[in-house]
Parts: sequence; C-alpha cells; structure tokens
Amino acid sequence: AQSVAQPEDQVNVAEGNPLTVKCTYSVSGNPYLFWYVQYPNRGLQFLLKYITGDNLVKGSYGFEAEFNKSQTSFHLKKPSALVSDSALYFCAVREGSGATNKLIFGTGTLLAVQP
Amino acid sequence: DVKVTQSSRYLVKRTGEKVFLECVQDMDHENMFWYRQDPGLGLRLIYFSYDVKMKEKGDIPEGYSVSREKKERFSLILESASTNQTSMYLCASSPGVGPAEAFFGQGTRLTVV
Repeated sequence: AQSVAQPEDQVNVAEGNPLTVKCTYSVSGNPYLFWYVQYPNRGLQFLLKYITGDNLVKGSYGFEAEFNKSQTSFHLKKPSALVSDSALYFCAVREGSGATNKLIFGTGTLLAVQP
Repeated sequence: DVKVTQSSRYLVKRTGEKVFLECVQDMDHENMFWYRQDPGLGLRLIYFSYDVKMKEKGDIPEGYSVSREKKERFSLILESASTNQTSMYLCASSPGVGPAEAFFGQGTRLTVV
C-alpha cells in the first residue's frame, strides 16, 4: 500500500528565513505526490503536485517542492517564510489507478512562523 | 472555481442519534470522498465513491455509511452516533481521470455528547 510520512509534528522558523517541511513516501510504481495547507477551522487547500517531469515543482503562495527519487522524499520549501504561512501542512500520495484518485495523507506538520 | 460545500460547519448531536452530513460539489467530478481528521492522526479515509450509487470502504468505515444518489451529492451517515465519533469531517471531490488533486469542503466539526 502507498503511504507518506511526515517526521516532524511541528516546524518553527523565523519570518524571512527559508522553511522546509519534510515528507517521505513509500509507493509501488510511479509516485503521484501532493501538498495541501489547512488554516484553522478550514478545509484543505491544494498547494502543488508532482506527477512527472521536473523534480522541482512550483505551487501557490510561493511554495515549491523538490522530488527526490533516490531518497523517496518530497519536501516542501519556501525561500522566505511569512507569519501568514503559519498553518497545518499535509503531504499526500495517490493510491489506486484509473478513475479512482484516492489520496492517502500524512499526519500533518504544524508550521509556526515567528515574527 | 471548484466549490465543495458541506451543509454544516458545526454540529452537536446526542449519543445514539442518527446523523447526516451532506456534501455537494459543482464541478461534475466523478470521485467524492469523506475523511475524518483527528489531531496526530492526519486525515483518514472513511468512504469514497467513484460514481453514482457506487461506493467503497476506506480505512475506517465502521459506524458509518454513505449515500450517493446524484453525482453532485455525497452523504455521510452515522447510524448511531457515539462520543468517539466526535471529530472534524472533511468532504472532497476529484475528477475521474488522471492523477488529479482533490478539492475540499470547509469541514464539519461534529461533537457527540
């Protein structure tokens, strides 16, 4: 079965510093990987996805993610953190094939950006 | 923009009640999902549907059922609510082709007392 792991429950970073939120995956076949963000008491918002091609994927709000096949990782990054980036971040992997785009989520990482 | 709408943001129900959570999407998506979110556990899939009247169990279906009579609507039913079903419930939809992202509703925070 496909799975993703987010090894850090919380990441703290100062505003203006680069941030990284880690995700590793375990899949059979080609990995289809996603990042979502959740603000308090809201649903999840899609940030970016890796399907194929360039290992550096750019997404919404200045976020990007680097796909690394040898390390089975898909870390979320941003060059300069904002206080407004503080939120819960989820990594996800697609499970299934054909028409069923079922997403399996990690446990989430809380990002806290200090002013 | 894709819109996934859940009928309630907050619900308080009593133990033993039958509870209905409704979800509607406006993008003609084939797939619809119900997840449950709990601190430290992430999102866990309860049920999903890949077509009208079609459904499959997810990872934690016990105590839940679903209904999809129309393509745009996917209902989650708690047959007899229990306190351990107090949680945030998230509905999502996605297209039926390709490795597409899912679009989420705003969530329903259910408290069972």
